[in-house]
Parts: sequence; structure tokens; C-alpha cells
Amino acid sequence: DIQMTQSPSSLSASVGDRVTITCRASQSISSYLNWYQQKPGKAPKLLIYAVSSLQSGVPSRFSGSGSGTDFTLTISGLQPEDFATYYCQQSHTKRTFGQGTKVEIK
Amino acid sequence: EVQLVETGGGLIQPGGSLRLSCAASGFSVSSNYMSWVRQAPGKGLEWVSVIYSAGNTYYADSVKGRFTISRDNSRNTLYLQMNSLRAEDTAVYYCARVLVVAGNSDYFDYWGQGTLVTVSS
Repeated sequence: DIQMTQSPSSLSASVGDRVTITCRASQSISSYLNWYQQKPGKAPKLLIYAVSSLQSGVPSRFSGSGSGTDFTLTISGLQPEDFATYYCQQSHTKRTFGQGTKVEIK
Repeated sequence: EVQLVETGGGLIQPGGSLRLSCAASGFSVSSNYMSWVRQAPGKGLEWVSVIYSAGNTYYADSVKGRFTISRDNSRNTLYLQMNSLRAEDTAVYYCARVLVVAGNSDYFDYWGQGTLVTVSS
């Protein structure tokens, strides 16, 4: 099965910071990579699909890039509502999530 | 409006069985891919299973042979039959719609609120 590894597992940042989260697949997944945001006690919310396509209603400060095995989620100008846990997910073979990256307030 | 409502969770002893239901509204379960995703307490998301519109089913290795995904088109409902339950199956179970886009890429676009399954003696 394809393994997805996110880094870092957690980070502390301030409002207004630029935040970058990395996701690496154990084999090439082409562009079959999505990103989700989850807040405590809530279901995950889709942010970005197919590497870089922004889901409707998601602020443009969220962006994604990458291909093959290495992918990045960037939040440009962190807002108070962005403190949450972020997951990458591949849909190339079955489905797999990364272990998550918790973004905390510095 | 698309809505997914899971039911059927609860406390079950190890080795027992439980069936989760996910009632869908606002779209047809039979015309879409549907999936189950779980989250153990304090842990990350784990994909469990998917059923395609054609009826193909796929499972994570951790549940293969013990869990069965199915749907009832007349009730517009997705199910997860869970047998031989283990303590490590304890989790919130979410159902999610899988939207397929160009190039066969897909993603989970709508999620239910989740139902908690606790496996303990």
C-alpha cells in the first residue's frame, strides 16, 4: 500500500505567518493528492484537490503544489481560524491519509 | 442540500459485530462512490473502505476480511458491516461521498458527523 508521510507533525505559528506543510508518498501518485483541514470534534473539510485545485469557498491563502511523490500545502498569511490539523490524502491506489500536521498558535 | 447522517455506533465487546448506517440525502448513493473513514481517539484519519457506483469494493488491509461495505439504493443508504471487532477498531466512523473529477482523480467532498464505535469488554 502507498504510505503518506507528512512533515512536520506539528508546528507553532503566529497570525500572519506563511506556513508550509509537506507530504511525501512512498511511490509516485501523479496528481492524485488532496488536502483536508480538521478542527476538534468536527469532520474533515476539503481544502484542495488534485494537488492545486482550490475547493469552492476555500480562501485563496491556501495553495498546493507538487507532483509524483512530493507535495506541499502553503497557507499565506495564517488567520485565527486556520489553527487546526491538516491531512494529505492520496487517491492513486485505494486511499491513504498522512498522519496529520497540527498547526498551533505560537 | 447534500447531507450524510451516520448511525449505529455504540459499545461492543471484542469479537462482536456491529452494522453502521449512513443515510444520504440530496444525491444518489448508487450513482456515486462512497467511502468510510475512521479516526481513533486522539489519532489521525484512516481510510477504511470504498464502494464504487459499479459496485466494486475495496478495503484497507487492517479491516479486509472482517468489514463489508454495501448500499441499499432504495433507502439511499450506505452500510458498514463490522465483524470480529477488536479494541483497535475503536474510533469515530465517518461516511463520505467520493467525487470523481477529470483524469479519474477523486476526493471526499461531503462528510457525515461521525458515529463512535467503542470495542471494549
